[in-house]
Amino acid sequence: GQQVMQIPQYQHVQEGEDFTTYCNSSTTLSNIQWYKQRPGGHPVFLIQLVKSGEVKKQKRLTFQFGEAKKNSSLHITATQTTDVGTYFCAVPGSNDYKLSFGAGTTVTVRA
Amino acid sequence: DGGITQSPKYLFRKEGQNVTLSCEQNLNHDAMYWYRQDPGQGLRLIYYSQIVNDFQKGDIAEGYSVSREKKESFPLTVTSAQKNPTAFYLCASKGGDEQYFGPGTRLTVT
Repeated sequence: GQQVMQIPQYQHVQEGEDFTTYCNSSTTLSNIQWYKQRPGGHPVFLIQLVKSGEVKKQKRLTFQFGEAKKNSSLHITATQTTDVGTYFCAVPGSNDYKLSFGAGTTVTVRA
Repeated sequence: DGGITQSPKYLFRKEGQNVTLSCEQNLNHDAMYWYRQDPGQGLRLIYYSQIVNDFQKGDIAEGYSVSREKKESFPLTVTSAQKNPTAFYLCASKGGDEQYFGPGTRLTVT
C-alpha cells in the first residue's frame, strides 16, 4: 500500500509557540486524514482533506493539503498543554477499506 | 452510549500460549480492523473485515488469527507463532470515511 513519511518524529514546543508537522507521500493521494492520540489513549479522528490546496481550521489547528496532493501539514498556533500527544496522518491503502498510517509526530510541551 | 470496547486493558501471558483479545462495537459498522502499535511506529494493520463472515490479512498477519461471526464482534487471537507479541493492540471500526478506535489492549508476553 501507499506509504507516508511524517516529520519531525518528535517536537518539543514551548507553551505558547507555534509548530508545524508534515506528512509526505511519493504518490498522489486521493485524500488524507489526521488523527491525534493522547498519551495512554487511542487515536481519534481529527479531519479529512480531499481537495488540492484545501485548508481547514479547527480552533488553533490548521490543516493543509498540498497543491499536488502529495503532502499535508498540520500547524498548531499558540501551543497549549492540551496539545500534547502523537499526531498521525493516514492515507488510503490498496482499497477503500484500508488506511496506511504514518509513524506520527509526538509533541511535548514545556510550560 | 455507542462505541468500541476492548478487554482487558492489560494482559499478561507466558511465551508459548495463545491469547484472544476481545473487540466489540455497537456502532452498527460493517468494517472492523485490528492494528498493532509499537513505540516510535505508526499503526500497522494486522487483519480487517469488511463484513460479517469475511476478513482479509493486513500487512503483518503472520502469527495472528481472527473471526467475524457477528457484526458486533471481531476477536483477535495472538498465537504462539507470533515472534514478538508484546505490543499495544487497537481495534477500530469504520463509519463513513473515518475510523473509530477502541481504548486498546496492552499485551505483555514474557
